[in-house]
Amino acid sequence: NAGVTQTPKFQVLKTGQSMTLQCAQDMNHNSMYWYRQDPGMGLRLIYYSASEGTTDKGEVPNGYNVSRLNKREFSLRLESAAPSQTSVYFCASSDAVGAYNQPQHFGDGTRLSIL
Amino acid sequence: QQQVKQSPQSLIVQKGGISIINCAYENTAFDYFPWYQQFPGKGPALLIAIRPDVSEKKEGRFTISFNKSAKQFSLHIMDSQPGDSATYFCAAKTGRRALTFGSGTRLQVQP
Repeated sequence: NAGVTQTPKFQVLKTGQSMTLQCAQDMNHNSMYWYRQDPGMGLRLIYYSASEGTTDKGEVPNGYNVSRLNKREFSLRLESAAPSQTSVYFCASSDAVGAYNQPQHFGDGTRLSIL
Repeated sequence: QQQVKQSPQSLIVQKGGISIINCAYENTAFDYFPWYQQFPGKGPALLIAIRPDVSEKKEGRFTISFNKSAKQFSLHIMDSQPGDSATYFCAAKTGRRALTFGSGTRLQVQP
């Protein structure tokens, strides 16, 4: 069972470079999410997609863009990376946004360092 | 803007002891309160969850206690084991919105 797969697992970028973090789920979930995890800050929602074709901003969307390519895939793009975006990024999926007892399933994260 | 405040930031417990992690919230519209467990190098995974119409939920050694009037909820881990060493996140949501997570508690259970 693959669940939620994130690529790459590690990445080092220089300030100003761009890159796309990929996420795919094989659970036929409708909703997908991108979080960033920083020490002492917990998990903060960047963007989410309630269903294929829709995306919404979360708590910290500035500097990021997302694409819900199809039901399985949800990508996160950094257009011009900044050191403040150094973080661990997690993708998650669930059957529906906010549904009781519908857990979010997380990938194992992408560790991104921006120099 | 931290809508769910979690404490302590870190916790050390002896094997067999009780681990207690607390969370407080302000938004009375929150209607679902899950706890997630995260091991190093892995993503968080749902551990246990509760709705505000219930004061306590127990699953094995893990119990959520919920105090609606105080706007607080806590995770109790009974008979803590070294394998429970992980980071724990409380979370909450309202309506059809995504989860808001607490800042996390790193638990170390010493053998």
